[in-house]
Amino acid sequence: AQSVTQPDIHITVSEGASLELRCNYSYGATPYLFWYVQSPGQGLQLLLKYFSGDTLVQGIKGFEAEFKRSQSSFNLRKPSVHWSDAAEYFCAVAFDTGRRALTFGSGTRLQVQP
Amino acid sequence: NAGVTQTPKFQVLKTGQSMTLQCAQDMNHNSMYWYRQDPGMGLRLIYYSASEGTTDKGEVPNGYNVSRLNKREFSLRLESAAPSQTSVYFCARRGGGNTIYFGEGSWLTVV
Repeated sequence: AQSVTQPDIHITVSEGASLELRCNYSYGATPYLFWYVQSPGQGLQLLLKYFSGDTLVQGIKGFEAEFKRSQSSFNLRKPSVHWSDAAEYFCAVAFDTGRRALTFGSGTRLQVQP
Repeated sequence: NAGVTQTPKFQVLKTGQSMTLQCAQDMNHNSMYWYRQDPGMGLRLIYYSASEGTTDKGEVPNGYNVSRLNKREFSLRLESAAPSQTSVYFCARRGGGNTIYFGEGSWLTVV
């Protein structure tokens, strides 16, 4: 069955430290891959996406993600976290090329310590 | 600005009451979606609309109906609300580059 897994429910990092949020998917082919961020009480904002080509993609707010086909992963990274990055992060995958509807992971809540 | 407007933003219903969540896009895209968000479960697709007059069930359609009377608007109706439908509802549209853009959400509580 097609699925998206974010194994870390909650992560705490210190401001200035590096960050990696994990995302794995289960699918027989390469889907379209997305990362969204949600601040409390807000909607979802797209950070970055991968469809094809270069497996390292750059997004907004200094985030990047790397697609690894062999591991069925699309991990989100940031070299130096800022306090304003505290939010919930969702990995999402479009398995159905017809509808392009997204299947979401359960999210990772990021807390940033001063 | 995602170009998606949802109303109302907050609503409290009693069990058995009905209501409609409204959604409108200010772009001219065909595909629109309704998702619900529950703690620890991410977002789950309720219904999808590929174009005016067409709708398709998603992962969790039970208890909901939708209407896509024109390209701009996609409404979600709860005919008889249940406490299990307490959630945050997001409307979305597909934009350029196959990217999905979300509205700011509607917080619904059923008591």
